[in-house]
Amino acid sequence: KQEVTQIPAALSVPEGENLVLNCSFTDSAIYNLQWFRQDPGKGLTSLLLIQSSQREQTSGRLNASLDKSSGRSTLYIAASQPGDSATYLCAVMRNAGNMLTFGGGTRLMVKP
Amino acid sequence: NAGVMQNPRHLVRRRGQEARLRCSPMKGHSHVYWYRQLPEEGLKFMVYLQKENIIDESGMPKERFSAEFPKEGPSILRIQQVVRGDSAAYFCASSPAGAETQYFGPGTRLLVL
Repeated sequence: KQEVTQIPAALSVPEGENLVLNCSFTDSAIYNLQWFRQDPGKGLTSLLLIQSSQREQTSGRLNASLDKSSGRSTLYIAASQPGDSATYLCAVMRNAGNMLTFGGGTRLMVKP
Repeated sequence: NAGVMQNPRHLVRRRGQEARLRCSPMKGHSHVYWYRQLPEEGLKFMVYLQKENIIDESGMPKERFSAEFPKEGPSILRIQQVVRGDSAAYFCASSPAGAETQYFGPGTRLLVL
């Protein structure tokens, strides 16, 4: 059974700092891994999706890496801004079209 | 193309009542997934449906919970005789067949008094 863990559970940083969020998963037989953002009381917004054959994906100030063999992914946020404050969730998909298995999330607060 | 629609957005029920949550997938999407997010926790898979078929219900509680995705109309997640522990945010996602990602709705927040 796949288990996904995110560390830290909460993080508070000053504006402008670079930061790294961590995600680990127990079963390396994944199809892809995805990072989502969730704002309080809202739905999920997809940030980055990494296929199992890929090592990283970038979008603006965000960079996600994947080391499938060790069961780890990181989300790097450069030059953090108060608008980045949200909960960040990572999720893995075992096979195309299957369910997503989510981590518990990292709650990020960026202080002005 | 409208996104995934869920209604109601907020639902209050008393213990013992029934809750019906609706999900309209994105146009052209034939697959629907339901997830539950308990307070301070991540999302947990409940059920995966295609039109008129339940594909995987391994995450559904064995009692009181049911889901359907009829040929016409939205997918329905039904919770009978709700208890306080059912209070959570319920998210629906949809995708085309065999897709590599799912598109999430805004969720229904259920509060059981």
